[in-house]
Amino acid sequence: AQTVTQSQPEMSVQEAETVTLSCTYDTSESDYYLFWYKQPPSRQMILVIRQEAYKQQNATENRFSVNFQKAAKSFSLKISDSQLGDAAMYFCAYTSDNTDKLIFGTGTRLQVFP
Amino acid sequence: NAGVTQTPKFRILKIGQSMTLQCTQDMNHNYMYWYRQDPGMGLKLIYYSVGAGITDKGEVPNGYNVSRSTTEDFPLRLELAAPSQTSVYFCASSYSAQANYEQYFGPGTRLTVT
Repeated sequence: AQTVTQSQPEMSVQEAETVTLSCTYDTSESDYYLFWYKQPPSRQMILVIRQEAYKQQNATENRFSVNFQKAAKSFSLKISDSQLGDAAMYFCAYTSDNTDKLIFGTGTRLQVFP
Repeated sequence: NAGVTQTPKFRILKIGQSMTLQCTQDMNHNYMYWYRQDPGMGLKLIYYSVGAGITDKGEVPNGYNVSRSTTEDFPLRLELAAPSQTSVYFCASSYSAQANYEQYFGPGTRLTVT
């Protein structure tokens, strides 16, 4: 069975600095998709970034980028130039075309200090 | 578009009571999902539907029932509420189960069973 592990319950960063959130996963599949979701205090789940396993190039969305290491089964999220609005819970998630569901990690709470 | 809407936002139930959590999407998505999020945890799939009239169990279906009579609506029914069902419930939808299609989430329902 696939699993997703986020080993950092909490992280903090100074405004304008860079922070990296870690995620590892376990799967026997070769084709799959990885996601980072943001959950601010409003509870709304917002897709931040997605990575297709068959793509070697790391995904980037503005200040958000990933470091996808397929062999190591690692999928970290880098937030550059952190802003106060980045404060939230961040969830790593996995899915594949062989499953109809998203498998979530337990989340990392990110605090951003001015 | 309103996206995915859920009602109610909050609810307190007594043990043994029943209730229905409502979920509606206006994006003409085929796939709909119900998740629960326990404190400090990621989301776990309760039930999902691939289209009107078709539903299937997720990871944690016990104590819940669903129906899908229309494309837009996917209500979740709790028949005999138990304290273990205290959680935040999220409804989501997507155009397809293919992993490159984003899941859109509703704002969640916070349920407390006492």
